[in-house]
Amino acid sequence: DVKVTQSSRYLVKRTGEKVFLECVQDMDHENMFWYRQDPGLGLRLIYFSYDVKMKEKGDIPEGYSVSREKKERFSLILESASTNQTSMYLCASSPGFAGRFNEQFFGPGTRLTVL
Amino acid sequence: DQQVKQNSPSLSVQEGRISILNCDYTNSMFDYFLWYKKYPAEGPTFLISISSIKDKNEDGRFTVFLNKSAKHLSLHIVPSQPGDSAVYFCAASANAGNMLTFGGGTRLMVKP
Repeated sequence: DVKVTQSSRYLVKRTGEKVFLECVQDMDHENMFWYRQDPGLGLRLIYFSYDVKMKEKGDIPEGYSVSREKKERFSLILESASTNQTSMYLCASSPGFAGRFNEQFFGPGTRLTVL
Repeated sequence: DQQVKQNSPSLSVQEGRISILNCDYTNSMFDYFLWYKKYPAEGPTFLISISSIKDKNEDGRFTVFLNKSAKHLSLHIVPSQPGDSAVYFCAASANAGNMLTFGGGTRLMVKP
């Protein structure tokens, strides 16, 4: 079974703090993703990584950065948290077979509240 | 502008009846479509998918229909069970790529 774990289920931070969300997958997947989920908006892609040290911006990268130093770990960083970043953050991974779509496997999510 | 839309935020169905969840898309480059199911406090899990070369895919109680000319797909659950109560997300991918575009989700409630 693919397992994607996220470092925290719930997190409360103050405006201006630097926030790190960690994600680890155990299936040697090439691709990893960070989404945020907001009511009525579904899941929106923040960043995507297809290899170690490689990253691509998703639909809403502003205010976020990412780090992928090891294949199994993908970190999302909020450099200076703001209240509009209060959301559910979901990490996902998928294998990297070229030329075909690959199912994404999700972690349980981190509910972040910025006060 | 949302490229994948689920216009019904919620749906309530009696146990044993059919649930029909709908999804519309605007990007004609989408060629692979998926449905994910999400329970509270859990991540989404893959449910069923369909390639644009097909118009129907069935897996047990779940069937997905694709109407490319209308840019519309639907998920049918027959018979509906209380354990099906969850939020369902429609998602689409273009050119067999790795990135997904999600709809806003539909909360399904199946009443016993």
